[in-house]
Amino acid sequence: DVKVTQSSRYLVKRTGEKVFLECVQDMDHENMFWYRQDPGLGLRLIYFSYDVKMKEKGDIPEGYSVSREKKERFSLILESASTNQTSMYLCASSPGDGSSYEQYFGPGTRLTVT
Amino acid sequence: GQNIDQPTEMTATEGAIVQINCTYQTSGFNGLFWYQQHAGEAPTFLSYNVLDGLEEKGRFSSFLSRSKGYSYLLLKELQMKDSASYLCAVLSHSGGYNKLIFGAGTRLAVHP
Repeated sequence: DVKVTQSSRYLVKRTGEKVFLECVQDMDHENMFWYRQDPGLGLRLIYFSYDVKMKEKGDIPEGYSVSREKKERFSLILESASTNQTSMYLCASSPGDGSSYEQYFGPGTRLTVT
Repeated sequence: GQNIDQPTEMTATEGAIVQINCTYQTSGFNGLFWYQQHAGEAPTFLSYNVLDGLEEKGRFSSFLSRSKGYSYLLLKELQMKDSASYLCAVLSHSGGYNKLIFGAGTRLAVHP
């Protein structure tokens, strides 16, 4: 079974704090993704990575950065958290060999910025 | 631009059949996914269609018409546990990469 884990289920941070969200997958997948999910808007892609040390901007990268130093780990960083970054954050991974485009999701981190 | 539309909410009765529609306008179409997401949980894969037609998997079926930019998810013999959000997502090839573009999701409530 593919397992994608995220470091926290719930997180409360103050405006201006630097926030790290960690994601780890155990299936040796090349591809990893960060989304945020907001009511009425669905999942929106923030950043993705197709290889170690590689990153690409998604549709809403402003205010975020990412790091992928190891294949199994993909971190999302909020340099200076703001209240409009209160959201559910979902990490996902998928194989990179073309065998499948299915993305496997982690349980999500509900972040509240006060 | 890229656009995916699906109804916001639907209700249905236990044991019945429900069809959730999804229409899309995207470039670089490379297939369409349906995911199920229970409240507070991760989305889980239901189906993937890349060719026109119907794919059946137990109580769930998914249909795709690429020429019409249309898909539906059919749920038969509804059970209470099918109450969840159903996410339509298009796999779009752009800029050398494949990316999933999600609709806002359809919240399905199954009642006795």
